[in-house]
Amino acid sequence: DVKVTQSSRYLVKRTGEKVFLECVQDMDHENMFWYRQDPGLGLRLIYFSYDVKMKEKGDIPEGYSVSREKKERFSLILESASTNQTSMYLCASSRIARSSYEQYFGPGTRLTVT
Amino acid sequence: DAKTTQPPSMDCAEGRAANLPCNHSTISGNEYVYWYRQIHSQGPQYIIHGLKNNETNEMASLIITEDRKSSTLILPHATLRDTAVYYCISQYNNNDMRFGAGTRLTVKP
Repeated sequence: DVKVTQSSRYLVKRTGEKVFLECVQDMDHENMFWYRQDPGLGLRLIYFSYDVKMKEKGDIPEGYSVSREKKERFSLILESASTNQTSMYLCASSRIARSSYEQYFGPGTRLTVT
Repeated sequence: DAKTTQPPSMDCAEGRAANLPCNHSTISGNEYVYWYRQIHSQGPQYIIHGLKNNETNEMASLIITEDRKSSTLILPHATLRDTAVYYCISQYNNNDMRFGAGTRLTVKP
C-alpha cells in the first residue's frame, strides 16, 4: 500500500526557531512536494524535487528551504520561523510517468508558531 | 490561480448519486483532469483522472464533455464517509497542480 509519512501531526514552535519537517515515502517515487494549506487559499506549492539533490521553487518558496539527500526523504526547513508560517503542511510524492501524475499525500503537519 | 471553477458546497442524500461539476474552460489539449478529495484532518486523496474519455474506477466515474470544457465526478452511491472537500484540477505535468477551494460535499442521512 502506498504510504507517505510525516514526522509530526502537530508542532508548536517559537518565533525565530529553526524548524525541520520531515517526509518519507516508501513507493520509490521520483517526485516529492511540499505544500501549505490555509483556509480560503487552498493548497499552495512551496517546493518540489524530481530527483535526489534536485529542487525547484513552487509558488511560495520565500522563508523556506528544502533538502533531498535520499530518494525517499524530503525535508522542509523554516530557517527562522515566523507567525505567518503557522499553517498545515502537506507532503506528497508521485512517480514520473506519462499520463499519470497522481500525487500521494501524507497526513499533514499542523504547525503553530507563537 | 486555479484553472478550474467549482461550486463551493453541495449536499447529497445518503445512498443517492453525488454529481460534482467542474468547469475548466481554458484547458489545453494535453492537460488531464484530476479529482482529489480531502476528508477533514487528512491529506488529499487521489480519486480519478482522465483526458478525453469517460473513466470509471472503484471509487467514482468521471464524465468529460466532448469539448473538454467541463467535467462531472459521480459518486454512484454516496455514503456518510464521502463527506469531504473535492478538488478538480487540470494538470499536464508534475509541477503544475493547482488546487482551488474545491467543493465541500456533505452527505446527509
